Amino acid sequence: EAQVTQNPRYLITVTGKKLTVTCSQNMNHEYMSWYRQDPGLGLRQIYYSMNVEVTDKGDVPEGYKVSRKEKRNFPLILESPSPNQTSLYFCASSLGSGTGGYEQYFGPGTRLTVT
Amino acid sequence: AQTVTQSQPEMSVQEAETVTLSCTYDTSESDYYLFWYKQPPSRQMILVIRQEAYKQQNATENRFSVNFQKAAKSFSLKISDSQLGDAAMYFCALGCRGATNKLIFGTGTLLAVQP
Repeated sequence: EAQVTQNPRYLITVTGKKLTVTCSQNMNHEYMSWYRQDPGLGLRQIYYSMNVEVTDKGDVPEGYKVSRKEKRNFPLILESPSPNQTSLYFCASSLGSGTGGYEQYFGPGTRLTVT
Repeated sequence: AQTVTQSQPEMSVQEAETVTLSCTYDTSESDYYLFWYKQPPSRQMILVIRQEAYKQQNATENRFSVNFQKAAKSFSLKISDSQLGDAAMYFCALGCRGATNKLIFGTGTLLAVQP
């Protein structure tokens, strides 16, 4: 089954404790992105990757890091989480080109609470 | 800058009736796609329908159809024969060709379906 998986689904942590949210896709997609969803703001792109070892900032990258060492994996790293990073996080992947290439496939979401 | 506006924070419809959700967007790009995503209480982002900007014909997927008015930059979603399972948050999204491959989301419309 074609899918994007994220772990963990729920996480409660404290300010300053480093954490990683994993993301993996099995569709051989070139593009992967991280979004955060906040009430009244919709989803906003944090970081994206066009391919292995190619990553760049999205609209709200402050406080986050990413890496793309393998095509299928795109972890999101919060080195020193703060309460304003409490949010719902989505990983997404897409072909990135051609007809339908802009359609993004989303993971199930990770609800993060930073206290 | 690209923007997506959903002016209806909440809507309600009776079961079996028809409802239309509004979306307007702004972009200077000529090559773009528009999407409607559904987010039920499970939080999963589910693609409902997609429209390529170069296509004049409105997209249709079973009970879901769009009214794409390119000149007016309007992209509304019509749900016919509404069902209880249609109750969800609906997001309109704009995707443009470019390196970021990101989607610009509206703030969402929460649809309630009354039995």
